[in-house]
This record gives sequence, structure tokens and C-alpha cells, in this order.
Amino acid sequence: GAVVSQHPSRVICKSGTSVKIECRSLDFQATTMFWYRQFPKQSLMLMATSNEGSKATYEQGVEKDKFLINHASLTLSTLTVTSAHPEDSSFYICSARDRTTSGNTIYFGEGSWLTVV
Amino acid sequence: DAKTTQPTSMDCAEGRAANLPCNHSTISGNEYVYWYRQIHSQGPQYIIHGLKNNETNEMASLIITEDRKSSTLILPHATLRDTAVYYCIVRPDRGSTLGRLYFGRGTQLTVWP
Repeated sequence: GAVVSQHPSRVICKSGTSVKIECRSLDFQATTMFWYRQFPKQSLMLMATSNEGSKATYEQGVEKDKFLINHASLTLSTLTVTSAHPEDSSFYICSARDRTTSGNTIYFGEGSWLTVV
Repeated sequence: DAKTTQPTSMDCAEGRAANLPCNHSTISGNEYVYWYRQIHSQGPQYIIHGLKNNETNEMASLIITEDRKSSTLILPHATLRDTAVYYCIVRPDRGSTLGRLYFGRGTQLTVWP
């Protein structure tokens, strides 16, 4: 089946620095990708919709200047956590929509653990 | 907000069938039923989806009631590796919200040896 890959799988950064997470669709083109975050023992929370060639759409309560999203090509979206703080430590997950499947199946990446120290 | 209701947890003996129910009484005509599962510390894994008809693939079967207000995911021969949180999600196949998935708490399935 379709594969979505994230990199890095784990990252530790110092408070105040920025960190970038990549999301790639490996065998299909994705004009739309999505970013989620998940805190321990909680469900996934949708953060934003990443649109190729245009601005991302953020869910209510998500700071767009804090979480910068760039969808540079049909197979790559990046999430940059700017000026990271310990409370940004979380599991970040991306997904991508495969338009070639019935129902436009959504596939998820493996997730990226961010720890801010 | 999630539009589905699932039991918080379920147990199943290894080798037996695991039947996971989901209620989606407010489902619209153009909304699909999707099932994902999440094993600890991994991204959600796609299992199966359906609109009206029952569906089967190499992982599972999906039984959707005639009125589409509920469905059941069936893992025919559960293994220890099937222990995970299972999410039932309804979403449209078109429109502005396409692809934006809202997760509920899901069902923690524990398969016992």
C-alpha cells in the first residue's frame, strides 16, 4: 500500500531553537497533507492542513507563527516548530491523501517524537 | 468533533475473532467509514474503509449495517500484534473537510495469549 514517511523519527532540541520535521509521500502525489500532534495517553489532534502551492489552513487555537508549514512539492510537506519550548514536546504525525483510491484514502507517517529540553 | 462512539476497551483471546463495534448514527450519505489502528508510539495504520457494502481485505472485514448507523470491524484471527487502539472515523469523500480526520478516543484492544 501507499507509504508516508516522516523524518526525523526522534529529535531533541534546546528551548528557544527551531526544529523542522519532514513528511513525504513515497509512491503517490499528495496535493494535501495534514499535521497532527498527540500527547501521551491522548488521541490525535488535527493541527493544520498543508496545501501544495498555497498557505496552510490551521485549526482553531493552533498558532500559525509557531508552527510553520511549507508544502514545497507534491510529495513533501514540512512542519517547523519555532522557538520551541518544553510544552511543545509531543508526538507529531503527518498524513497524506491518495486521490487515486476510492474514498481518497488517508495514510499516516510513522510519527516524530519531539523533546524540547 | 469525532462523530463516532466506540467502547473504551475490549479484550480478545489470541486466535479468536475480535469484533470491534462503532456507532455513527449521524453519518451523512457521502461519508465513508474508516478504521485505523495505532500501536504504541507509532503513526496510525490504515485498516479498511467502506461506504455501504461490507468490505474485506487481508487485514480485516468491515460490516456496515443497512441504515449505516453502525459498523463492526472484524479481525478474524487476532494475534498479540493486533493489540492497539482502534479508531473508527467517518469522513466525506468530497468537500472542504476532505481529509481532515477528527479522532475520538478509540477502543483499546488487548489480545491475550
